[in-house]
Amino acid sequence: QVQLQESGPGLVKPSETLSLTCTVSGGSVSSGSYYWSWIRQPPGKGLEWIGYIYYSGNTNYNPSLKSRVTISVDTSNNQFSLKLTSVTAADTAVYYCARGAPYYYDSSGYLYWGQGTLVTVSS
Amino acid sequence: DIQMTQSPSSLSASVGDRVTITCRASQGISNFLAWYQQKPGKVPKLLIYAASTLQSGVPSRFSGSGSGTDFTLTISSLQPEDVATFYCQNYNSAPWTFGQGTKVEIK
Repeated sequence: QVQLQESGPGLVKPSETLSLTCTVSGGSVSSGSYYWSWIRQPPGKGLEWIGYIYYSGNTNYNPSLKSRVTISVDTSNNQFSLKLTSVTAADTAVYYCARGAPYYYDSSGYLYWGQGTLVTVSS
Repeated sequence: DIQMTQSPSSLSASVGDRVTITCRASQGISNFLAWYQQKPGKVPKLLIYAASTLQSGVPSRFSGSGSGTDFTLTISSLQPEDVATFYCQNYNSAPWTFGQGTKVEIK
């Protein structure tokens, strides 16, 4: 059973960089054709896709965030990470990591999610 | 980029009612569409993938249909435990956009 767990600061100051890590267990970030993803949800609002890193290392980001986002992978620790620069209050949200499966897999889409972590941007 | 538009944004129905939620993609996405259920304070849960395939363990009162640009999620007989927000999502091509959500309540 694949499990994902987000970790990182719950409070970030405006203009600083938000950094989160997702630790994966029960599966490897470097095998299988999976999309290791970040998704966020501002309080009381809907889901916003941030981006993914493919198992090969290729990345794809939401165009609205692309200039500020970096997703990377650490295969030695079976983790992947999110960095979001120059944050503002609008970046306050619950941040989820998730494993995306491509269309040719059973249970394509996002079957496995982390529990989510609330990050507040405030001075 | 592909935009996903859900309707309605919210609905209220009685227990036992048939409920239908629609999702429209701004361009064709074949059947590369998933539906998620998110209960208050919980993590989204995959209900349906490939537009119409029920994820294992999901009650059979949930069903999905559609292809191309128009998709539907149907709850055949609404139950109290179905109170949640439902999201569609494109995974045909990045960005894997979500719809804005449909909040389902019991009347």
